[in-house]
Amino acid sequence: GESVGLHLPTLSVQEGDNSIINCAYSNSASDYFIWYKQESGKGPQFIIDIRSNMDKRQGQRVTVLLNKTVKHLSLQIAATQPGDSAVYFCAESPRNGNQFYFGTGTSLTVIP
Amino acid sequence: DAGVIQSPRHEVTEMGQEVTLRCKPISGHNSLFWYRQTMMRGLELLIYFNNNVPIDDSGMPEDRFSAKMPNASFSTLKIQPSEPRDSAVYFCASSFFQGNSPLHFGNGTRLTVT
Repeated sequence: GESVGLHLPTLSVQEGDNSIINCAYSNSASDYFIWYKQESGKGPQFIIDIRSNMDKRQGQRVTVLLNKTVKHLSLQIAATQPGDSAVYFCAESPRNGNQFYFGTGTSLTVIP
Repeated sequence: DAGVIQSPRHEVTEMGQEVTLRCKPISGHNSLFWYRQTMMRGLELLIYFNNNVPIDDSGMPEDRFSAKMPNASFSTLKIQPSEPRDSAVYFCASSFFQGNSPLHFGNGTRLTVT
């Protein structure tokens, strides 16, 4: 039969606009969350992390929001630039554990 | 500041051959992870080590796969014999485990088995 790959959500935004990438996680015991950026031909690169005792954390041009009630994580990128074009993954880890489980990813394309 | 170093970057081999992938973690990190990335299954954790000891190998697909970490600065992932369905990008990552620490990834080895 035909092989079907993962359906990767895609997001296209105009340069300068804000981007919001969403992620749903399944394990209510997950305690630590990370957003990674993966460019073509490279490994995932750490962007920002958040622990479950927080609901918001800000970095440079990026903000992560955590809603534990609905097990939802989002990444907001302000003033999106062409260099932000990549696949973005959320990853979750259990309390005091150090293994990570990754979501399927979202492909972000920034239109100049 | 050197990151995680993987070799080779690309490997093309014929079915049945042995393949060895290599990883040098970031100096001072005490946890090391092997992941596989495919279009079908995304990023899958294969195995991870703490202080050179394998902790969880439940993600290793089958007995053809084995991983070793003889010292804190080197790990190998071996596939013997290789099969076409092993074609994927294999990533190594390391972290300093002190209760939730981010993983730092290498740039991966793209394996093609024909």
